[in-house]
Amino acid sequence: QKEVEQNSGPLSVPEGAIASLNCTYSDRGSQSFFWYRQYSGKSPELIMFIYSNGDKEDGRFTAQLNKASQYVSLLIRDSQPSDSATYLCAVNGYNNNDMRFGAGTRLTVKP
Amino acid sequence: GAVVSQHPSWVICKSGTSVKIECRSLDFQATTMFWYRQFPKQSLMLMATSNEGSKATYEQGVEKDKFLINHASLTLSTLTVTSAHPEDSSFYICSASRGWNTEAFFGQGTRLTVV
Repeated sequence: QKEVEQNSGPLSVPEGAIASLNCTYSDRGSQSFFWYRQYSGKSPELIMFIYSNGDKEDGRFTAQLNKASQYVSLLIRDSQPSDSATYLCAVNGYNNNDMRFGAGTRLTVKP
Repeated sequence: GAVVSQHPSWVICKSGTSVKIECRSLDFQATTMFWYRQFPKQSLMLMATSNEGSKATYEQGVEKDKFLINHASLTLSTLTVTSAHPEDSSFYICSASRGWNTEAFFGQGTRLTVV
């Protein structure tokens, strides 16, 4: 079982719509969760991090964490073509200060 | 804040030679640095985690004698690919974090081509 799983996509949404990206993880003791965005040929850039169950909002982005279900998601409201990228979910383990990534979900926002 | 600089951004080397990649945190002290490798259209694969002043922890399947990691200071970590072969050609990316389980910031990445 992969430690961090994401649907690879591609996920396509029209401009202005809500994009929903999902991630599950296997280590029940994981403490911290991150969403990164990666454009082709570039390194990832941090969008948000979340540590506690519930929702965390930052502008057009909302991260949702459910530790009981081992599930974290990212919602992008009012999607823009510039949001088209690969979105990576990352999880830090409980016993180890490592940061492991899912395979990423490729998002395309169509004008 | 939270700027991580990686150098070089690209390098071409001959098979059998060694290549050193530097990762610097410019405006914060990085107690932990991570090294990843990414092949085209694939995800980031964690190679090793290094904490300042201690030996790096390598992931299973990553040869520590081939990929030498040094984290001698709170602002600098280096990855040396020794005796590089064409199959080592990849995008190598470092990231740095201030502390345990905190967010990590990425360098620009180094595209290594071994010919």
